[in-house]
Amino acid sequence: QKEVEQDPGPLSVPEGAIVSLNCTYSNSAFQYFMWYRQYSRKGPELLMYTYSSGNKEDGRFTAQVDKSSKYISLFIRDSQPSDSATYLCAIPNTGGFKTIFGAGTRLFVKA
Amino acid sequence: DADVTQTPRNRITKTGKRIMLECSQTKGHDRMYWYRQDPGLGLRLIYYSFDVKDINKGEISDGYSVSRQAQAKFSLSLESAIPNQTALYFCATSGDGHTGELFFGEGSRLTVL
Repeated sequence: QKEVEQDPGPLSVPEGAIVSLNCTYSNSAFQYFMWYRQYSRKGPELLMYTYSSGNKEDGRFTAQVDKSSKYISLFIRDSQPSDSATYLCAIPNTGGFKTIFGAGTRLFVKA
Repeated sequence: DADVTQTPRNRITKTGKRIMLECSQTKGHDRMYWYRQDPGLGLRLIYYSFDVKDINKGEISDGYSVSRQAQAKFSLSLESAIPNQTALYFCATSGDGHTGELFFGEGSRLTVL
């Protein structure tokens, strides 16, 4: 079993839809949960992160962690064509020097 | 100018050739990384370095070597390239915080024929 599992998609939605992106992980010791966004022909950039369980909201984006089920989610409200990108969940080890990435989900938002 | 710069951005080479990918950064970070990205596999860590004298293998280091020439420079070498090393390679840096937020370059696309 991979330490971080993520469905690579692709996922195609109409503009304005609510998008749900998900990952599961295996190590209950993980504390920080990150989401990176990668546009075509670019390097990934940190979108947002959460610490431990709970929700974190930033504009149209909400990150959610359920440590009891080892499940992390990223929700995008009112999705826009500019949200079309690959979204990678990522989990750093203790000390933050070794980050494990999910496969990345490629999202297409159609106008 | 980008904070993390990779050269070359694209390279096509033949099996058996030696290839070097270079990375330089202006973030002032001590930690530097080389990742490989393949479709459906995400980013996998090849090597990481805490400083000039501290270099560590990642999960897929076989067939690769690295050199940390200075705090700001970290290069990746393929001594004898093979076709399954065809991939997108990313250099990244991070500070020493607990989140380990990574700052990536724009990638080097390598094709081995």
